[in-house]
Amino acid sequence: DIQMTQSPSSLSASVGDRVTITCRASQSINTYLNWYQQKPGKAPNLLIYAAATLQSGVPSRFSGSASGTDFILTISGLQPEDFATYYCQQSYSTPRTFGQGTKVEIK
Amino acid sequence: DVQLVESGGGLVQPGGSLRLSCAVSGFSVSSNHMNWVRQAPGKGLEWLSVIYSGGSTKYADSVKGRFTISRDNPKNTLYLQMNSLRPEDTAVFYCAKDGQGGPFDYWGQGTLVTVSS
Repeated sequence: DIQMTQSPSSLSASVGDRVTITCRASQSINTYLNWYQQKPGKAPNLLIYAAATLQSGVPSRFSGSASGTDFILTISGLQPEDFATYYCQQSYSTPRTFGQGTKVEIK
Repeated sequence: DVQLVESGGGLVQPGGSLRLSCAVSGFSVSSNHMNWVRQAPGKGLEWLSVIYSGGSTKYADSVKGRFTISRDNPKNTLYLQMNSLRPEDTAVFYCAKDGQGGPFDYWGQGTLVTVSS
């Protein structure tokens, strides 16, 4: 199985900050990497797929990038509604493993 | 509009069974790959199972042999039959549609399953 390792597990940031979250795959997954945002009590919401493609309706302050087996989610100019937990997921093979999540909290 | 609505969750004793449903509108379950994902209280997301548009299925090791994914095409509904339930199966269960290239682009609201005596 492909392991997805996310870091950090949590972070504190202020409105307007630039935030980066990293996800590392245990083996090559090409660019089959997706990012989700989840707010408490809600289902996850797809933000970015194929490592860098913004899902329709997602604000452009969210972006994704890839370098080998390392993937980065960047939020440029954190907004109050962005405080949530973020998960990466590989869709290269089953099981479709998720990272353990990164909780973005208000500083 | 696309909508996925799960139902069937509840309290069940260890060793018991439960069948979850995911009623879909806005697209055809038979033409798409459909998944079940769960989230234990305070924990992360765990993929459980997929049924491909062609009908084949795959499972996570944690549920293989105990859970069965299926669909009813005329009812446009996805199911998860869960047998031999354990306390560690306690979670919110989500159904999710595969988008092109594999991301889960639509999710249901989730249904809570509690396994406890």
